[in-house]
Amino acid sequence: EAQVTQNPRYLITVTGKKLTVTCSQNMNHEYMSWYRQDPGLGLRQIYYSMNVEVTDKGDVPEGYKVSRKEKRNFPLILESPSPNQTSLYFCASSLSRSGGQTDTQYFGPGTRLTVL
Amino acid sequence: QKEVEQNSGPLSVPEGAIASLNCTYSDRGSQSFFWYRQYSGKSPELIMSIYSNGDKEDGRFTAQLNKASQYVSLLIRDSQPSDSATYLCAVGPWGKLQFGAGTQVVVTP
Repeated sequence: EAQVTQNPRYLITVTGKKLTVTCSQNMNHEYMSWYRQDPGLGLRQIYYSMNVEVTDKGDVPEGYKVSRKEKRNFPLILESPSPNQTSLYFCASSLSRSGGQTDTQYFGPGTRLTVL
Repeated sequence: QKEVEQNSGPLSVPEGAIASLNCTYSDRGSQSFFWYRQYSGKSPELIMSIYSNGDKEDGRFTAQLNKASQYVSLLIRDSQPSDSATYLCAVGPWGKLQFGAGTQVVVTP
């Protein structure tokens, strides 16, 4: 089954304790992205990656790191989490650009993070 | 100023009626436009994409794009209780989609 998986689905942690949220897709997609979703603000892009070893900042990259060492995985790293990073996080992937049009983004199930 | 604007709702729609959702965007260079549906506690799922001016129909859904006026809309015909969800408008360029905050739709029996 084609899917994007995220782990963990729920996480409660404390300020300053490094954490990693994993994202994996089995569709051989080139493009992957991380979003956070907060009430009233919608989805905001944190980082994205167009292919292995190619990553770029989105709209809200501060406090986050990513890496893309393999095509299927795109982990999100919070080196020193703070309470303002409490949010619902989504990973997404899509095949590639085709004819100038954006391919469908498939979203993972989400990770609800609480930082105390 | 948000780059993609939607009315937050809730938009209450009688069952069987037409739901009309609007979205405006600020970047005139945007090329890709999407409507996602998101049920409470779930991830967004794509329901429509549109790239050219005009209408695009898919089942009970119709997306309308007017680049000159910088708006995109979604019509849901014959609304069903299962259409009760938040609808997110997303606007390209490729790789850096901007999402609106979403419009909550409630279909009432």
